[in-house]
Amino acid sequence: DVKVTQSSRYLVKRTGEKVFLECVQDMDHENMFWYRQDPGLGLRLIYFSYDVKMKEKGDIPEGYSVSREKKERFSLILESASTNQTSMYLCASSPVSGSGRTGELFFGEGSRLTVL
Amino acid sequence: QKEVEQDPGPLSVPEGAIVSLNCTYSNSAFQYFMWYRQYSRKGPELLMYTYSSGNKEDGRFTAQVDKSSKYISLFIRDSQPSDSATYLCAPPDNTDKLIFGTGTRLQVFP
Repeated sequence: DVKVTQSSRYLVKRTGEKVFLECVQDMDHENMFWYRQDPGLGLRLIYFSYDVKMKEKGDIPEGYSVSREKKERFSLILESASTNQTSMYLCASSPVSGSGRTGELFFGEGSRLTVL
Repeated sequence: QKEVEQDPGPLSVPEGAIVSLNCTYSNSAFQYFMWYRQYSRKGPELLMYTYSSGNKEDGRFTAQVDKSSKYISLFIRDSQPSDSATYLCAPPDNTDKLIFGTGTRLQVFP
């Protein structure tokens, strides 16, 4: 069974703290993504990666960074958490474009972050 | 104007009803369209996808695309309480990244 695992389902952090959200996939997918999901705004892409050590900014990268040192792992980092980063964070992976399955994202269960 | 728009709902229907979930889009370059289903406190999962115009059927679910009016529909026949979820439409853009609608929350009551 294919799986994307996010390390923490629920986190509570304080303003200014550094936050790490970890994501691991076991499907040998090339592509990995970080989204945040907010009521009324839907899913918004923060960062994505098409290969190890490669990263690209999505639509809302400000206040975030990412790391992809291994193919299966993609980390989202909040250098200094702020209250407006309270959200549901979703990690996803997909096979390489052109594989015939373009666009089929496999999501983790999400990490709900509250910043106080 | 958002590229992909959905009525947020909630849409509340009795068990057994036929449900129509709709999505409009603005970019005529979108080539195919995906529907994701998201249960409460879970990540989205791919339900079905369809290319270009026309219908695609998968069990109780039918996806329909009308490119001339930029309108996408997902029909659920014989709806069940287990269909209660948020349904997201998501066409890929020209770089294969998905553009998600905000989703429509569906509630099917027994």
